[in-house]
Amino acid sequence: DTEVTQTPKHLVMGMTNKKSLKCEQHMGHRAMYWYKQKAKKPPELMFVYSYEKLSINESVPSRFSPECPNSSLLNLHLHALQPEDSALYLCASSQHSLVYEQYFGPGTRLTVT
Amino acid sequence: ELKVEQNPLFLSMQEGKNYTIYCNYSTTSDRLYWYRQDPGKSLESLFVLLSNGAVKQEGRLMASLDTKARLSTLHITAAVHDLSATYFCAVDTGNQFYFGTGTSLTVIP
Repeated sequence: DTEVTQTPKHLVMGMTNKKSLKCEQHMGHRAMYWYKQKAKKPPELMFVYSYEKLSINESVPSRFSPECPNSSLLNLHLHALQPEDSALYLCASSQHSLVYEQYFGPGTRLTVT
Repeated sequence: ELKVEQNPLFLSMQEGKNYTIYCNYSTTSDRLYWYRQDPGKSLESLFVLLSNGAVKQEGRLMASLDTKARLSTLHITAAVHDLSATYFCAVDTGNQFYFGTGTSLTVIP
């Protein structure tokens, strides 16, 4: 199984809502990532988990809260988002942190109204 | 801050022609990756280059890495319409991972 899955595919939320994005992989990878991608821009790294511990937080606002319940799952909890947070959120995994090829999920397209 | 620049940003080329996309980066690294992204889709890994002088080929695409020049190239041979997509290079330094600015490629019949 070489797939990274993400749910939901699309999400529309108001600025006062709380929602979560989910990501799952069954490749035995020990590093997982969250990226944000705005239209026609490159992905921007948000968080890196290595062996279920947060290893990189690229100065992301606290309204984004990552969680790694186990080595196969990665969540991104969203609260009090702004319209400018609307983007494609991509999850990825790799065998170990950063120095290995990353496999990307299909993404969640988030719209904040 | 690590900077990763690609050129050109936009490329329109005719089927059957050859062209090269360049990826320059601003700090020492010997690990570079190329990804493809179709509109509205996720990223697909194309090449992983892990040492100076590394060259990899898959079909009509060939990637190379010169770590001394901090330069990677993605060469397209005899382009076909199916290659139309956005191509990103990405560099990691062990504690930073940045994508390049992207090159939007359109192959015209």
